[in-house]
Amino acid sequence: EAGVAQSPRYKIIEKRQSVAFWCNPISGHATLYWYQQILGQGPKLLIQFQNNGVVDDSQLPKDRFSAERLKGVDSTLKIQPAKLEDSAVYLCASSKKTGDSYEQYFGPGTRLTVT
Amino acid sequence: AQSVAQPEDQVNVAEGNPLTVKCTYSVSGNPYLFWYVQYPNRGLQFLLKYITGDNLVKGSYGFEAEFNKSQTSFHLKKPSALVSDSALYFCAVRRDGSGNTGKLIFGQGTTLQVKP
Repeated sequence: EAGVAQSPRYKIIEKRQSVAFWCNPISGHATLYWYQQILGQGPKLLIQFQNNGVVDDSQLPKDRFSAERLKGVDSTLKIQPAKLEDSAVYLCASSKKTGDSYEQYFGPGTRLTVT
Repeated sequence: AQSVAQPEDQVNVAEGNPLTVKCTYSVSGNPYLFWYVQYPNRGLQFLLKYITGDNLVKGSYGFEAEFNKSQTSFHLKKPSALVSDSALYFCAVRRDGSGNTGKLIFGQGTTLQVKP
């Protein structure tokens, strides 16, 4: 079974530029998550999708971050414009459904550096 | 509000010795608890989870964890550490119950260093 795929793996941009990350979840997984992991901290949920609907985006900075999952499979996360404090690893995860007992499977992450 | 605390930034242990990585949690209602491991430049890998039932949970790579409701703890353990166990370990909690989106709350992580 293929794992969660993410691209790019690394990205360096200047502040005020835009950037987009792509995620392909495990086949058949209805729930998709985007996390932000700042160095030295645990991952923090940015947004959660169930199929193509948003379940939780309470911690997404909506003035600059956006995400979509149009066909209920792949997802993109965009930052526009980027700030220095957005430097982090962006992790995508998926699970079979939004259920408490289902573990999440994580992709390798995209390391973003904003200069 | 839900929270997870991992009181040790780093745990050092000699190969072959038992290891413990500590985790305490705060959540209203029944907790669902998870341990993940992160190797350099890689995503998090699921190790084990507690949902209900036996307080001692066994997981991947010989790891186990003990759920203690009275102490609100979920410590990760392994009887004999390997150098290859050296990595960053995260504890996470989710609250059960209907209407819950299932959001995971992670601790800040504990670096495990196993020396030969």
